[in-house]
Amino acid sequence: DGGITQSPKYLFRKEGQNVTLSCEQNLNHDAMYWYRQDPGQGLRLIYYSQIVNDFQKGDIAEGYSVSREKKESFPLTVTSAQKNPTAFYLCASSYFVGRGSETQYFGPGTRLLVL
Amino acid sequence: AQKITQTQPGMFVQEKEAVTLDCTYDTSDPSYGLFWYKQPSSGEMIFLIYQGSYDQQNATEGRYSLNFQKARKSANLVISASQLGDSAMYFCAMREGAGGTSYGKLTFGQGTILTVHP
Repeated sequence: DGGITQSPKYLFRKEGQNVTLSCEQNLNHDAMYWYRQDPGQGLRLIYYSQIVNDFQKGDIAEGYSVSREKKESFPLTVTSAQKNPTAFYLCASSYFVGRGSETQYFGPGTRLLVL
Repeated sequence: AQKITQTQPGMFVQEKEAVTLDCTYDTSDPSYGLFWYKQPSSGEMIFLIYQGSYDQQNATEGRYSLNFQKARKSANLVISASQLGDSAMYFCAMREGAGGTSYGKLTFGQGTILTVHP
C-alpha cells in the first residue's frame, strides 16, 4: 500500500542527546515536510525539501537538522540545541504545486518525550 | 497577524445533524489553496477537502463541503449528517504562492474540537 511511515511511534530523549526521527514515503512525491505540534496547537513547519539533496528551513528550524539523500526518505534529527523538544512530530509529502494535486499527506506521527 | 483564524475552540453537534466549522484567512496573494484536515485522538492528520482560490464552485467531498466566500476571506467546513466518528480536532490550513513554483508550505489554524453526541 502507498503511504507515509514514521518511526518510532514514541521516542524518549535524555538531556544532551541527539535523536533521529524516520520518515519514509512510497507515493513518489517530490516534496517532503516536517511539522511540530504542541498540545492544543496547530502545526508549525520545521523543514521542507522539494528535491533530493536540497532542503530549506521552515518557521522553527533552530535545534533541528534534516537530510534528503533519497526521494523516499526525509529523516529529522532533534539536536541537543533544541531546548524544548517535547512535542508531536508529523511528516508529510506532496507533489509540487501545479503538478496536479498539491495536497499534503501525513504520516502517523512520532511523540517525542524528554526524560 | 494570524493568517488562519479558527474562532471556535470547541463545537458540539447532535448525531445526524449538520455542523459548520469556521475558518477565516488573511493573504494578499491572488493564488492560494485552502485545506481542511481532521485529527482524531490517534494524532494522524487526515485530509478532508481542498479549495483553490480560482475555483468557481465550492468544493465537496462526500459529507464534507467547503463554503468558500472569497470576498469575506472565509472557508468554512460543513459536515452534513454528523457521525460519532466525526469527533476529532479539525484544522484549516492555507497554502500561499503561485502554482508551479511553490513548495506548498501550509499555515495552520489553531483548530476546533468537534464533539458529536449520540
